[in-house]
This record gives sequence, structure tokens and C-alpha cells, in this order.
Amino acid sequence: GDSVTQMEGPVTLSEEAFLTINCTYTATGYPSLFWYVQYPGEGLQLLLKATKADDKGSNKGFEATYRKETTSFHLEKGSVQVSDSAVYFCALGENTGNQFYFGTGTSLTVIP
Amino acid sequence: GAGVSQSPRYKVAKRGQDVALRCDPISGHVSLFWYQQALGQGPEFLTYFQNEAQLDKSGLPSDRFFAERPEGSVSTLKIQRTQQEDSAVYLCASSLRRSTDTQYFGPGTRLTVL
Repeated sequence: GDSVTQMEGPVTLSEEAFLTINCTYTATGYPSLFWYVQYPGEGLQLLLKATKADDKGSNKGFEATYRKETTSFHLEKGSVQVSDSAVYFCALGENTGNQFYFGTGTSLTVIP
Repeated sequence: GAGVSQSPRYKVAKRGQDVALRCDPISGHVSLFWYQQALGQGPEFLTYFQNEAQLDKSGLPSDRFFAERPEGSVSTLKIQRTQQEDSAVYLCASSLRRSTDTQYFGPGTRLTVL
């Protein structure tokens, strides 16, 4: 079945460092891909998404490109801030079905 | 409020008790999901509704789990004869139309089974 595998954490970076969180997926069809984020004490919220191959999702300085050839959707940010400290979840939604699959989450801590 | 709400926020049950968890989605949202999130893990899909129709219940772990959305708005997840392995955070999310639209999550219900 469909699944998502993301880089295990925790990840600790200094402020202004470059961030990459790896995410790869397995799917039988052509899914939509998502990054959701959970800030401390808050609920899950959408960070960005891409609905087809080669699409790039972006928001708040974060980017991820839907790569069909490598079945990947890696999350990147050029310069992280302390306020980016959160848990990041990669997710996959079936376009021909109704199921939704999340990765295990990657905890990011940014230190000043 | 305009967001997804869930109640109760915390529930402690003795093993064998039945529990009911409520979700109030965003008004007008067609799609509604239930997820189970164990500590340190990502949310695991349980079931999906489109309006009042339960289109997918393949993620429900056993026949002790039952979900309904009778009028296409509020949804209830019921767990019968709770077991310790049912302890988790239960998340509800709604989206405007399709299952791949942006999902808006509630704060979750933390269930502890003693």
C-alpha cells in the first residue's frame, strides 16, 4: 500500500542554518504530497503542498518539490529561525481514493 | 470559533468501558477524517466521511471502533470495550471538498485507558 518515509529526528540547528528534511513515498497512483507542521502547544496545520510531479510548494520560506523520478518531497529552508522549532510531518493523499498517510514526524529545534 | 473543535480534550477510561469522542468540523466542510496518533508517531488514518457517507473505514483497527456523521456535520468516534492499546490522541480533521484539499485539524482528544 501507499506509505511515506521521512527522516528521523530530532534535528537541532543553529539560527540561520540550512534545513533539509527528507521525505520519500510509495504510491500506486499519482498522489498529492503535503508537509504539515505542529508548533508547540498547537494543532497540526498545513505548511505547503504539491499536487503533481514537478510542482513546487512553498510557504514561510519553506519549499518542497514533487519529484516523481525519485519519489521524494524533501522539505528545505535556506535560513531557519527559532520560531521554526516544531514537528514536521510529510503526508500523502490519494487522488483516486480517500486515504491519507503521514510520516512519523521530524522534530526540529532551532537554537539562537 | 471558526476552527475544528473536539471534545473532550482528555478522557480517562477503565479497561472495558465504552467511550465517545466528538468532532465539530468547520461549517460547510464536506470531508471529515479521523486519525489515531500514538506517542512519537504520525497520525494514522482511521476513517473518512464525505458528508454523511462513510466512504472509507479501512483504518479502523477493530470492530470495537465505530464512527458516524449522521447529518453530515458533527461526527462521533465510538470505541467499545476499550483496551490499553487504544490509548492515543484521536485527531479529527475537515476539508472543504475533496480528501486532498487542505485539512484543518482539531486539537485532539487524548484517551488514556487504565
